[in-house]
Amino acid sequence: AQSVTQLDSQVPVFEEAPVELRCNYSSSVSVYLFWYVQYPNQGLQLLLKYLSGSTLVKGINGFEAEFNKSQTSFHLRKPSVHISDTAEYFCAVENQAGTALIFGKGTTLSVSS
Amino acid sequence: EAGVTQFPSHSVIEKGQTVTLRCDPISGHDNLYWYRRVMGKEIKFLLHFVKESKQDESGMPNNRFLAERTGGTYSTLKVQPAELEDSGVYFCASSGLDTQYFGPGTRLTVL
Repeated sequence: AQSVTQLDSQVPVFEEAPVELRCNYSSSVSVYLFWYVQYPNQGLQLLLKYLSGSTLVKGINGFEAEFNKSQTSFHLRKPSVHISDTAEYFCAVENQAGTALIFGKGTTLSVSS
Repeated sequence: EAGVTQFPSHSVIEKGQTVTLRCDPISGHDNLYWYRRVMGKEIKFLLHFVKESKQDESGMPNNRFLAERTGGTYSTLKVQPAELEDSGVYFCASSGLDTQYFGPGTRLTVL
């Protein structure tokens, strides 16, 4: 069965520091991978997605992620974070049937000054 | 373009009562999904509609949950009777081809 593991439940960083949120997936077939963000008191917003093609995917708000098939990873990175990036981030993989997303447990990014 | 909308944003009910959640997808999206996040757990898939047909309802927890999508537009998710473990945030999403867009969620509290 497919699954997603987000290795860190909480990541505290200082403003303007780089950050990497880790995501590993398990799947025996081609994967569609997604990162979503949930800001406080808001719904889920798509940050970026990998469907095919270039393994480096750029998203909104300066985030990017790299698909690594050999390591079954899809880590999210940002070179310099802002206070406004404080949110919960979810990694997800589409299931084999293409009918649903399978989510990780989420990583809470806390940016302080 | 309007996004996915959900109503109500919050609902507090007592155990044994009935609650109906509503989702309006993005106009033109044939695919509609329901997910749930119980506190402290991951977001879990409940079911998937293609137009008015249930494509996959493997995530529905039990027969107290009933989802409908009459006419292939908006969808409702009814919980009857509600139990304490039904508390959580219920998300709706819709998609055209390959990307699911989520609504803000309905926070359900069962006392």
